[in-house]
Amino acid sequence: ETGVTQTPRHLVMGMTNKKSLKCEQHLGHNAMYWYKQSAKKPLELMFVYNFKEQTENNSVPSRFSPECPNSSHLFLHLHTLQPEDSALYLCASSQDLGTGNYGYTFGSGTRLTVV
Amino acid sequence: TQLLEQSPQFLSIQEGENLTVYCNSSSVFSSLQWYRQEPGEGPVLLVTVVTGGEVKKLKRLTFQFGDARKDSSLHITAAQPGDTGLYLCAGRPAGGTSYGKLTFGQGTILTVHP
Repeated sequence: ETGVTQTPRHLVMGMTNKKSLKCEQHLGHNAMYWYKQSAKKPLELMFVYNFKEQTENNSVPSRFSPECPNSSHLFLHLHTLQPEDSALYLCASSQDLGTGNYGYTFGSGTRLTVV
Repeated sequence: TQLLEQSPQFLSIQEGENLTVYCNSSSVFSSLQWYRQEPGEGPVLLVTVVTGGEVKKLKRLTFQFGDARKDSSLHITAAQPGDTGLYLCAGRPAGGTSYGKLTFGQGTILTVHP
């Protein structure tokens, strides 16, 4: 399978639940990202991993916990979320964080609803 | 923080009309990209512009990078319903602490009516 695959596509969870989002890419990319997309807001960068090392945590609350076991897989572990965390969570990958002008390849996202 | 301002935020037009979407910043970018996102999907890269003043064409879409590499525009000729979607510009900052990462604009929602 090519491209960036995210699972699940939809997730409804209660505020006390624990769930995980999964992202997988087989493009040979070394950088992976988590973005949050809410209505009427720009894409918000959450985390950046380069060669499976976290290089950026964009002041994300600790109820979001990323994990990158290798350059092909990225997880976002969720616990005790708030209703305002409901959004589309997008995973993306790129060749690396270097100087090249290559683009990001995005997954289809996980639509998260916190009830 | 390097911001990218897109305008307009919403655009509703009839099939066959022309339109232009703008992406502006006070910061310089080493490159700028345009993405299109359809409902329920992630953004898909349309084009990357690198050189100040550069113009690229993709069928009915024309992309331009400003001479100073601070702004860009997307022009669509004879829009079709299939062009409907969210258009995002994204810039790669020229140096600084954000080096390498993309900064996204807030997007322009385009609706083309048959």
